[in-house]
Amino acid sequence: DIQMTQSPSTLSASVGDRVTITCRASQSISSWLAWYQQKPGKAPKLLIYKASSLESGVPSRFSGSGSGTEFTLTISSLQPDDFASYYCQQYNSYWTFGQGTKVEIK
Amino acid sequence: QITLKESGPTLVKPTQTLTLTCTFSGFSLSTTGVSVGWIRQPPGKALEWLALISWDDDKRYSPSLKSRLTITKDTSKNQVVLTMTNMDPVDTATYYCAHLFGEFPFDYWGQGTLVTVSS
Repeated sequence: DIQMTQSPSTLSASVGDRVTITCRASQSISSWLAWYQQKPGKAPKLLIYKASSLESGVPSRFSGSGSGTEFTLTISSLQPDDFASYYCQQYNSYWTFGQGTKVEIK
Repeated sequence: QITLKESGPTLVKPTQTLTLTCTFSGFSLSTTGVSVGWIRQPPGKALEWLALISWDDDKRYSPSLKSRLTITKDTSKNQVVLTMTNMDPVDTATYYCAHLFGEFPFDYWGQGTLVTVSS
């Protein structure tokens, strides 16, 4: 099984901050990585696929990078609507999610 | 417009079998490349993929839960059914179904249904 490890688990930030979340895979997954945003009581929303491709309709302040085993999600300027939990997911071999990163208001 | 909606019991007893139905619209499970998966999320915890069925009836299961899961589809009704046997309180979670196409990740999700396992 491929394990996904996210860091940090919680992140405190202010509006306008640049935020980076890291995801590490237990083995190479090439670029088969997605990022989701989830708000309380809601289903996850796809933000990024293929490690760096922005899903249609997602603001350009979200970006993804990486390949192999190391990946990052960056929010260039945090907005009030961005306070949420974020999950990475590999889809190279079956589907595995990271444990999540909660972005809180500082 | 693609939509999915989960339905099933909100409360099941330990050892019982859970049956959940995902009813969808806006796509067909007979179209090449289309799949529907099930994912769950215990309260306050992370997402966990459970099972997936594809247009060609290929079925994939989480290795850790494979012995307890069965996924089927009814293309004519636009439904996918997941059964999970021998339910336990640790299986208490919100269960989601989601659409997948080709080499893309899950892009459309249902609203989720909370299932509580308790005697």
